Amino acid sequence: KNQVEQSPQSLIILEGKNCTLQCNYTVSPFSNLRWYKQDTGRGPVSLTIMTFSENTKSNGRYTATLDADTKQSSLHITASQLSDSASYICVVSAWSNFGNEKLTFGTGTRLTIIP
Amino acid sequence: DAGVTQSPTHLIKTRGQHVTLRCSPISGHKSVSWYQQVLGQGPQFIFQYYEKEERGRGNFPDRFSARQFPNYSSELNVNALLLGDSALYLCASSTWGPTTGNEKLFFGSGTQLSVL
Repeated sequence: KNQVEQSPQSLIILEGKNCTLQCNYTVSPFSNLRWYKQDTGRGPVSLTIMTFSENTKSNGRYTATLDADTKQSSLHITASQLSDSASYICVVSAWSNFGNEKLTFGTGTRLTIIP
Repeated sequence: DAGVTQSPTHLIKTRGQHVTLRCSPISGHKSVSWYQQVLGQGPQFIFQYYEKEERGRGNFPDRFSARQFPNYSSELNVNALLLGDSALYLCASSTWGPTTGNEKLFFGSGTQLSVL
């Protein structure tokens, strides 16, 4: 069964500090791994998409890493801002028998930035 | 350019009723997917449609159905509502096609459905 596990479930840090969120997955056949940011009551917004051959990808202060051998990914946030307060969801894509991608979502890490 | 739009934004229904949720994709996107997100959980895949054809279905009962129209907009229908159907229903569009992959999904803000 395809699964995506994220840790920690929640995290509180001071504004300006860095943090790292973790994602472990058991999904096959692997297509890509995505990180999304979801503000409360809104739809998720894509931060990064990484394929098997990509080890790292950045989007501003967000840097995602992927270790396809250990099936782990991390999302590092640098110099956090109050607007970074949100849920961060790890999503792993697998190829389905129909030739399309089946996405498995993690339950997310709830990040709170305090001034 | 308009993003993915969903309507209504909020909806309150009682058990046993049915509901229709609507989604308009980003212009040029031919693929629409529906997800259910229960509070505190990640989204769960319900359906994917491409060019008006169902391309994927998640583990949801037959009470859930959907369709895509010639203009690529989509409707999600849920019959015989249960309390457990209370959730945020998200629609996502992409440029995905049968020969593409790694397509970025663009989500709408969702419809918050409450079943009493």
